[in-house]
Amino acid sequence: NAGVTQTPKFRILKIGQSMTLQCTQDMNHNYMYWYRQDPGMGLKLIYYSVGAGITDKGEVPNGYNVSRSTTEDFPLRLELAAPSQTSVYFCASSTGQGAYTIYFGEGSWLTVV
Amino acid sequence: KQEVTQIPAALSVPEGENLVLNCSFTDSAIYNLQWFRQDPGKGLTSLLLIQSSQREQTSGRLNASLDKSSGRSTLYIAASQPGDSATYLCAVKGRTGANNLFFGTGTRLTVIP
Repeated sequence: NAGVTQTPKFRILKIGQSMTLQCTQDMNHNYMYWYRQDPGMGLKLIYYSVGAGITDKGEVPNGYNVSRSTTEDFPLRLELAAPSQTSVYFCASSTGQGAYTIYFGEGSWLTVV
Repeated sequence: KQEVTQIPAALSVPEGENLVLNCSFTDSAIYNLQWFRQDPGKGLTSLLLIQSSQREQTSGRLNASLDKSSGRSTLYIAASQPGDSATYLCAVKGRTGANNLFFGTGTRLTVIP
């Protein structure tokens, strides 16, 4: 019962470094999402994908990139990390949009120092 | 742009008490509304999903209502238990697009044994 799996769970980055947050789902969902959650704030959508090879920007895409080469995987890349990117990152997936339940990973805690 | 508000931000109740969590949203043109539970250090788990045409949904001790015209939803928890302690978030989905799920900031519930 893996569902949505994110790695790493915790990471400390120095300013200017780059890294990739990995996300994989085993439910054959077409839709995948990356959100960030800042303390005391609601989740904000970074990027989303409606299928392999198709990605689009969400509300807060600056400083991030994504790719979707397979249905299962949706990695999020941080280029030139900045302190403003300190946050908790959640990957999620759903069968489609509309009436479908959205499933979340357990989150990746990222600190940029 | 849709704004979702949850009041109160935190709530403590003694075990066994019935309680209501509130969610309000500014744009009534929604497709559905979901209530999620988030445990510390974990991802979000979907509890209930209400379609815009529905008035309420029930699952066990949980009952969620939706009044779309007034932009409000409530999550009623009956006979609260310490295991119900978590943060509860509501999210509303707009009518078009895959990038239109808007989250509230959550209510942190503590049930005191």
